[in-house]
Amino acid sequence: AQSVTQLGSHVSVSEGALVLLRCNYSSSVPPYLFWYVQYPNQGLQLLLKYTSAATLVKGINGFEAEFKKSETSFHLTKPSAHMSDAAEYFCAVSSQTGANNLFFGTGTRLTVIP
Amino acid sequence: NAGVTQTPKFQVLKTGQSMTLQCAQDMNHEYMSWYRQDPGMGLRLIHYSVGAGITDQGEVPNGYNVSRSTTEDFPLRLLSAAPSQTSVYFCASRTEVGNTIYFGEGSWLTVV
Repeated sequence: AQSVTQLGSHVSVSEGALVLLRCNYSSSVPPYLFWYVQYPNQGLQLLLKYTSAATLVKGINGFEAEFKKSETSFHLTKPSAHMSDAAEYFCAVSSQTGANNLFFGTGTRLTVIP
Repeated sequence: NAGVTQTPKFQVLKTGQSMTLQCAQDMNHEYMSWYRQDPGMGLRLIHYSVGAGITDQGEVPNGYNVSRSTTEDFPLRLLSAAPSQTSVYFCASRTEVGNTIYFGEGSWLTVV
């Protein structure tokens, strides 16, 4: 079984500051890991994904995440926040076998303060 | 390229009514799924399908039925709507394992 825990349902950062959104996963088999972003009243857009290649994954809009097996973590970072980054972010995990369903965390709402 | 298309976008139902949320994809994806999104709970898997004629239950299947008669379509049926089914519903699809899952724009359902 797979699951993810996102620490902090709300995160506020100043414009230009570092963005750090935390995600820890639980999986009995090697996982695939994903970060999605959701803007108000819209669907989900993939930011980046880890599929057992490089542990440091770069995504769209300047975001990146590092897979750390020893810490079972996949935290999302961005060096400098923009106002347009304000949204809800979801971490998700799937297995590399079977149906590979995605299991989502409860989400982190990012607010960017001007 | 339409991607994943969901209809309707908004719907209000009375308790006990039935309805079908439609989902279609034009990418020839074998895998399709339905999620519901509720505040503070993220997205939870309702049902999924790994190909035409094959469906299975996810985390929260009660009160919902699905079928997969074609690769393109994966409708979600509410047989007797309840207020607890008020939610935003997302359909999703992908190709092979590990590939990106594409989401529809969502269907906002209110049951009164």
